[in-house]
Amino acid sequence: AQSVTQLDSQVPVFEEAPVELRCNYSSSVSVYLFWYVQYPNQGLQLLLKYLSGSTLVKGINGFEAEFNKSQTSFHLRKPSVHISDTAEYFCAVSDQSAGKSTFGDGTTLTVKP
Amino acid sequence: DAMVIQNPRYQVTQFGKPVTLSCSQTLNHNVMYWYQQKSSQAPKLLFHYYDKDFNNEADTPDNFQSRRPNTSFCFLDIRSPGLGDAAMYLCATSRRGGTEAFFGQGTRLTVV
Repeated sequence: AQSVTQLDSQVPVFEEAPVELRCNYSSSVSVYLFWYVQYPNQGLQLLLKYLSGSTLVKGINGFEAEFNKSQTSFHLRKPSVHISDTAEYFCAVSDQSAGKSTFGDGTTLTVKP
Repeated sequence: DAMVIQNPRYQVTQFGKPVTLSCSQTLNHNVMYWYQQKSSQAPKLLFHYYDKDFNNEADTPDNFQSRRPNTSFCFLDIRSPGLGDAAMYLCATSRRGGTEAFFGQGTRLTVV
């Protein structure tokens, strides 16, 4: 079994400030890790993924995340946010063999002018 | 562009009246998923297909059924919708198990 904990349900931040959205996971098997973004009344869009290799992964819209195996974390970061980054962000983990993803409860990022 | 398309985007149905939501994909992915997402919650997996193999989540109510007649199409049937079934329903595909999912825009279901 696997689980995902997103440590912050809401993150308010001012425009052009840096932001970090935190994600911890637990799993007894090897996993893949993902961050998705969801805008109101839309589906989820992949921001970035960690499958293997370099622990620092870069995604779309200037986001990046770092996989830390010892701390079982996969925190999402952006050095300077824009108003358009206001959205719901979901961290997800999938079992490499079973093929199903487990999602965290989401973090609402609100960027204020 | 290759994509996942859900129809309709918005669906209103009467309490107890069967309803079908549809999903099509041009990605030729093996795996198709149906998720239910209630307001301010994470998507909850209802079931998924690996090719023609159907996999039901243990806590998915019997009221929910699915069909996948071919690689491109997948349907979600709700036999007797209740007020608690009002939600966003998300279809997603992936090339193989465990890799990233590609989501459709979702169908928002309202039960009146």
